Amino acid sequence: AQSVTQLDSQVPVFEEAPVELRCNYSSSVSVYLFWYVQYPNQGLQLLLKYLSGSTLVESINGFEAEFNKSQTSFHLRKPSVHISDTAEYFCAVGYQKVTFGTGTKLQVIP
Amino acid sequence: DGGITQSPKYLFRKEGQNVTLSCEQNLNHDAMYWYRQDPGQGLRLIYYSQIVNDFQKGDIAEGYSVSREKKESFPLTVTSAQKNPTAFYLCASSAGVMGSTDTQYFGPGTRLTVL
Repeated sequence: AQSVTQLDSQVPVFEEAPVELRCNYSSSVSVYLFWYVQYPNQGLQLLLKYLSGSTLVESINGFEAEFNKSQTSFHLRKPSVHISDTAEYFCAVGYQKVTFGTGTKLQVIP
Repeated sequence: DGGITQSPKYLFRKEGQNVTLSCEQNLNHDAMYWYRQDPGQGLRLIYYSQIVNDFQKGDIAEGYSVSREKKESFPLTVTSAQKNPTAFYLCASSAGVMGSTDTQYFGPGTRLTVL
């Protein structure tokens, strides 16, 4: 069985400040890890994913996540957020099937 | 443009009625999925299909039915047996079947409200 925990349901942050969205997972086997972003009333879009290799993965819009096997974490970070980053972010873990976390709403304050 | 379309965007139904949500993809993907999203609960898998004419139950299949007669289409029927159908429904597809590394691509969703 696998599970995903996103401890923070909401994260307010000022524009241009750094942010970290936390994600912890549990699984009895090696898994793939994903971060998805959802803008209001839209579907989910893949932000980045870890399959194997380098533990640091980056997205095209400045987000990055680091796979930490010993801490079973896959936290999402951005050094400087923009208003347009306001959205809900979902961490997901998958091997045979994908399990999603409950989401973290990022609110960027001007 | 390739992608996934879901219709309608908003759907209202009376209690006791069945309703069918449409999902179409032109990505030539083999696998398709239906998820239900409720506030604070993330996404939960209802049904998935890895190939035409075959589908499997997900975690919360009770009260739902699906068909996969064509590769590009995977409609979901919410039956009157579903006790709490009001939710946001998301369809997704992926090139590879479950267990592969292929990304799931999501449609824009259908918000179903039962009156």
